[in-house]
Amino acid sequence: DAGVIQSPRHEVTEMGQEVTLRCKPISGHDYLFWYRQTMMRGLELLIYFNNNVPIDDSGMPEDRFSAKMPNASFSTLKIQPSEPRDSAVYFCASSRSGANVLTFGAGSRLTVL
Amino acid sequence: ELKVEQNPLFLSMQEGKNYTIYCNYSTTSDRLYWYRQDPGKSLESLFVLLSNGAVKQEGRLMASLDTKARLSTLHITAAVHDLSATYFCAVVQGAQKLVFGQGTRLTINP
Repeated sequence: DAGVIQSPRHEVTEMGQEVTLRCKPISGHDYLFWYRQTMMRGLELLIYFNNNVPIDDSGMPEDRFSAKMPNASFSTLKIQPSEPRDSAVYFCASSRSGANVLTFGAGSRLTVL
Repeated sequence: ELKVEQNPLFLSMQEGKNYTIYCNYSTTSDRLYWYRQDPGKSLESLFVLLSNGAVKQEGRLMASLDTKARLSTLHITAAVHDLSATYFCAVVQGAQKLVFGQGTRLTINP
């Protein structure tokens, strides 16, 4: 099992550019989560999906952020346009219904200049 | 809204000593998790506590849960340097949504 796979691991971009982060959950997991981690705000849940359907996006900061899950093995988190305050580590995590383990990916470290 | 608070947020201790990290949460939940994060790394699951009075132990770490008090503890016994990390508790809200505490940065000095 390769675990939750995220790409890119590091991204440096300039303000105003579009950023797309990608996630492949563990096969068989039906829940997928996007978290953001910063020193100031800690770990925040942005959005989560169940069976590819967004269930709760109340944590998405604003309209510049969007997330999709077109199939069970792929999700994207897009920021357009990006701003310096979006600089953070973005984690994707997945879990399976009835199981009690949420497995995190390695994270994508985003720096917006 | 579910709130999860950890105490202390920073902890510096000597090898060989014992200490406890506390995790309080504001509303009823049936699951509580403890995670470890090393600098620049992802989160690693340590324990899942499912019921009142649950106790789990792994090496020098022991976690317990009191659902009536809405309190979990992570106890470190005879600390060693390798346990230096940030420890998070997280509480389930609804089916699978985890709400995390602020994290406790633990530094263990020789």
